[in-house]
Amino acid sequence: SSELTQDPAVSVALGQTVRITCQGDSLRTYYASWYQQKPGQAPVLVIYGKNNRPSGIPDRFSGSSSRDTASLTITGAQAEDEADYYCYSRDSSGNHVFGSGTKVTVL
Amino acid sequence: QVQLQQSGPGLVKPSQTLSLTCAISGDSVSSNSAAWNWIRQSPSRGLEWLGRTYYRSKWYNDYAVSVKSRITINPDTSKNQFSLQLNSVTPEDTAVYYCAKSYSSGWYLVFDIWGQGTVVAVSS
Repeated sequence: SSELTQDPAVSVALGQTVRITCQGDSLRTYYASWYQQKPGQAPVLVIYGKNNRPSGIPDRFSGSSSRDTASLTITGAQAEDEADYYCYSRDSSGNHVFGSGTKVTVL
Repeated sequence: QVQLQQSGPGLVKPSQTLSLTCAISGDSVSSNSAAWNWIRQSPSRGLEWLGRTYYRSKWYNDYAVSVKSRITINPDTSKNQFSLQLNSVTPEDTAVYYCAKSYSSGWYLVFDIWGQGTVVAVSS
């Protein structure tokens, strides 16, 4: 089955920009969706499709994709953005795969 | 506003059956555009999609290969809910279990609504 690879951790200074990447063969065909998870809480959808934000998600979150890599960018990171972020994609075989997650620390 | 409310025991003995229920409000389990999923999360396996049920003129189920021989997901239209049964559990099935609503459009699928999560421990 497909795999989605994410860096384990990144840090960003308050108010600066951070990009989180997700790499996998399925991303050549399907868009990733991105989920934010804070400790003790369920994941929350933050970006999906080409670059779509659900209602209530701040516009500092954006998404992009190139070849086999999807990216989530937080422009002007806030303290409340400190969380784990997971990418997800389906593949052509019908598998549903989550990345291993990236822990974002806001300094 | 769609909400999912999970219920079920937090402790299951090895070799027994794990059973959870997810009650839906604000949508219908018989929706022609949504699917109803179970996903679990553990430190060793991360987020793992287990399976789904959905209605497109008839009922369908998809299951992850890793649990296909042990899992059943059933809709209950009378109560507008769906359930998870995982048989022959072992300590490796210890995880937080989530129900989630999904929809797809062309080249993406998203899990837009999640339940609150249920911590399930498999232990004697």
